[in-house]
Amino acid sequence: EVQLVQSGAEVRKPGESLRISCKSSGYNFTTYWISWVRLVPGKGLEWMGRIDPSDSYTNYRPSFQGHVTISADKSITTAYLQWSGLKASDTAIYYCASHTGGFSPLDFWGQGTLVTVSS
Amino acid sequence: SYELTQPPSVSVSPGQTASITCFGDKLGEKYASWYQQKPGQSPVLVIYQDTKRPSGIPERFSGSNSGNTATLTISGTQAMDEADYYCQAWDVSTGIFGGGTKLTVL
Repeated sequence: EVQLVQSGAEVRKPGESLRISCKSSGYNFTTYWISWVRLVPGKGLEWMGRIDPSDSYTNYRPSFQGHVTISADKSITTAYLQWSGLKASDTAIYYCASHTGGFSPLDFWGQGTLVTVSS
Repeated sequence: SYELTQPPSVSVSPGQTASITCFGDKLGEKYASWYQQKPGQSPVLVIYQDTKRPSGIPERFSGSNSGNTATLTISGTQAMDEADYYCQAWDVSTGIFGGGTKLTVL
């Protein structure tokens, strides 16, 4: 059974850094891409970027390029999403989702991580 | 940049058919997927490659995609289908979601 288990809720101040995680199990980690998607309260889903864990190739939605970094550690089948300088507008629920190919549907989703950025 | 447009809300009576549209330039030349999200839950894939249902998704969910419009159809809508629905496609290397449609069953 494919499972994506995300790290718990976080509260940070503007300007702080943060890394959240997505632990995968039940499949060969290097054969599925991982995308990160955010849900802003009152708004919709927004795709942020993706990683191919087999070679750590990444690409980002232009609006997130340079603001977040997606990475993966094959040895512990875990993907990460990190910020070096959070903004209040980063307050959202963040989901990781796996997909078989770079342009495939997002088959399996993590439970979501709530990130709150407030002074 | 590429955009997908959905109606903000759709209402349907129990047992009737609900149709949710997703508009994008030449969307019919791409594969469309649809996700259901209920409050406090993660999204669930309900339709992929325009018309296919993942295992476990009821047959009342169906999809189509032609021209500039993809459509999610729910036949015999049930109260449990009340949720937000999002269409999604890939444009070059970027994932694109529609703005979402709140389906109300009343």
